[in-house]
Amino acid sequence: KQEVTQIPAALSVPEGENLVLNCSFTDSAIYNLQWFRQDPGKGLTSLLLIQSSQREQTSGRLNASLDKSSGRSTLYIAASQPGDSATYLCAALFSGAGSYQLTFGKGTKLSVIP
Amino acid sequence: NAGVTQTPKFRVLKTGQSMTLLCAQDMNHEYMYWYRQDPGMGLRLIHYSVGEGTTAKGEVPDGYNVSRLKKQNFLLGLESAAPSQTSVYFCASSYYSARQETQYFGPGTRLLVL
Repeated sequence: KQEVTQIPAALSVPEGENLVLNCSFTDSAIYNLQWFRQDPGKGLTSLLLIQSSQREQTSGRLNASLDKSSGRSTLYIAASQPGDSATYLCAALFSGAGSYQLTFGKGTKLSVIP
Repeated sequence: NAGVTQTPKFRVLKTGQSMTLLCAQDMNHEYMYWYRQDPGMGLRLIHYSVGEGTTAKGEVPDGYNVSRLKKQNFLLGLESAAPSQTSVYFCASSYYSARQETQYFGPGTRLLVL
């Protein structure tokens, strides 16, 4: 079964620290890997999408990398701020699932302490 | 633009009752999706639509029906609600398929089935 795993489930860091969130997937045959942010009681907001042919994507203080051979993606957040506190979800679009069915991890809940 | 909106925001049902969740998008998106999010399970795809008048099953379609009579609306129906359908339901949409583009999520509908 194709799965996406995020470890740890929760992370607490002091403000200003650089941090890395991890995402692993069981099948290297993916179309793309996406990172989302979810605030409490809210929907998901897309952060970055990395196509299988790419190695990384950057948006502001965020940098996401993709290593298909090892089945891993990381989301790097530079100079963390309290406003970064949220749950971060990664999702993989596996080739065998066609073009529509994203497989989501369970998320990492990030708390940035002022 | 309002983006993706969902109605209602919260609902309590008794076992056996029926209801319809409404998703509307004003971005002229072709693709629409219904997910459910449960603690410890991550998001799972229920049904999706690749265009007006079309629907297809996702990972967990049992107990749900959908309709896409208008391009901007995607309805999710529960004919006979069960406690196992207590969840948070998210609608999402995109112009292109998940292979090419991320999805835009609504704020969610919290459903409690007693």
